[in-house]
Amino acid sequence: NAGVTQTPKFQVLKTGQSMTLQCAQDMNHEYMSWYRQDPGMGLRLIHYSVGAGITDQGEVPNGYNVSRSTTEDFPLRLLSAAPSQTSVYFCASSYRGNEKLFFGSGTQLSVL
Amino acid sequence: EDKVVQSPLSLVVHEGDTVTLNCSYEVTNFRSLLWYKQEKKAPTFLFMLTSSGIEKKSGRLSSILDKKELSSILNITATQTGDSAIYLCAVDSPLDSNYQLIWGAGTKLIIKP
Repeated sequence: NAGVTQTPKFQVLKTGQSMTLQCAQDMNHEYMSWYRQDPGMGLRLIHYSVGAGITDQGEVPNGYNVSRSTTEDFPLRLLSAAPSQTSVYFCASSYRGNEKLFFGSGTQLSVL
Repeated sequence: EDKVVQSPLSLVVHEGDTVTLNCSYEVTNFRSLLWYKQEKKAPTFLFMLTSSGIEKKSGRLSSILDKKELSSILNITATQTGDSAIYLCAVDSPLDSNYQLIWGAGTKLIIKP
């Protein structure tokens, strides 16, 4: 049982570079989401999806893009990395909305 | 502005002690309150409390929702070193977005042997 798989676990970028954080789940969950976690703050929702082909913005969407072409995959793209995007990123999925989220192991991203 | 506040921010106790973690909320529209445990990396689900079910229990962990006081507590009895973690509280408060969870900053719990 893989659950939610995130890659990479660590990444260092230079300002202006772009990259994609990968997220895949094998539980056939319709709902998937991306969060960022910063010290002293709660998790903040970046983007979410309620099914293949459907995405929507969360609380802090600027500088990030997502797509959902399959039920399993929900990649997060950083368009032009900025130091303010240094954070730990979590992908999560659930069978139904916010009732019980399953989280990936996280990606620690540093933007220099 | 909707918000969730957890207290204390950190707590150090000895193995065998009982701890109580607090979560208070101010939200426009309450659907449920959730507790998660975060060890090292990924948060894992503990409890979900709704208006129709205000108390949950699992082993040494229990949680109560007080809708009058707009708060919840998470109790851990006979603590073990494996309980050391950050405990996160979140409130499901659907408004414009049906999927917006409001998260507290967490309580860091350290259990000393």
